[in-house]
Amino acid sequence: EAQVTQNPRYLITVTGKKLTVTCSQNMNHEYMSWYRQDPGLGLRQIYYSMNVEVTDKGDVPEGYKVSRKEKRNFPLILESPSPNQTSLYFCASREWVTDNSPLHFGNGTRLTVT
Amino acid sequence: GDSVTQMEGPVTLSEEAFLTINCTYTATGYPSLFWYVQYPGEGLQLLLKATKADDKGSNKGFEATYRKETTSFHLEKGSVQVSDSAVYFCALSDPRDTGGFKTIFGAGTRLFVKA
Repeated sequence: EAQVTQNPRYLITVTGKKLTVTCSQNMNHEYMSWYRQDPGLGLRQIYYSMNVEVTDKGDVPEGYKVSRKEKRNFPLILESPSPNQTSLYFCASREWVTDNSPLHFGNGTRLTVT
Repeated sequence: GDSVTQMEGPVTLSEEAFLTINCTYTATGYPSLFWYVQYPGEGLQLLLKATKADDKGSNKGFEATYRKETTSFHLEKGSVQVSDSAVYFCALSDPRDTGGFKTIFGAGTRLFVKA
């Protein structure tokens, strides 16, 4: 089954403790992206990747890092999480970079930073 | 820059009522427009899309028409069901403006349908 898989689904952590949220897609998609969803703000893009070793900042990159060492994986790293990073996070992928095919989303990771 | 504005929710309807969720956009180029739906506990999934002016996207009884003159892409359904309860997001993607790197989402509209 074609899918985007995120782990974990739920994560509670404390300020400053490094964490990684994993994302993997099995569709051989070029483009991958991370979003955060906050009430009243919709989805805001954190980082995106156009292919292996090619990443760039989205609208809200501060406090986050990403890597794309393999085409299928695109982990989101919070080196020193803070309470304002408490949010619902989604990974998404799309077949090509520059077309208008729809995004495929994972089921989300709800992060709480205390 | 490009933006999407959709009506605030929540919207509460009785089963079999008519649904409209308004969406307007601002874009410098010629965007493609999307409606995504998010059911509880799940990620977003594509509901329908339209890629050029006057196109009508449709799926599962939902429809939306790309209106360039009013920069709108309103979502409609003639008779909603309890199972349509979800959050609906209007979105645009404009490769000529952002190189296709960004899909811009509205804030989302929560729909509750009562039996």
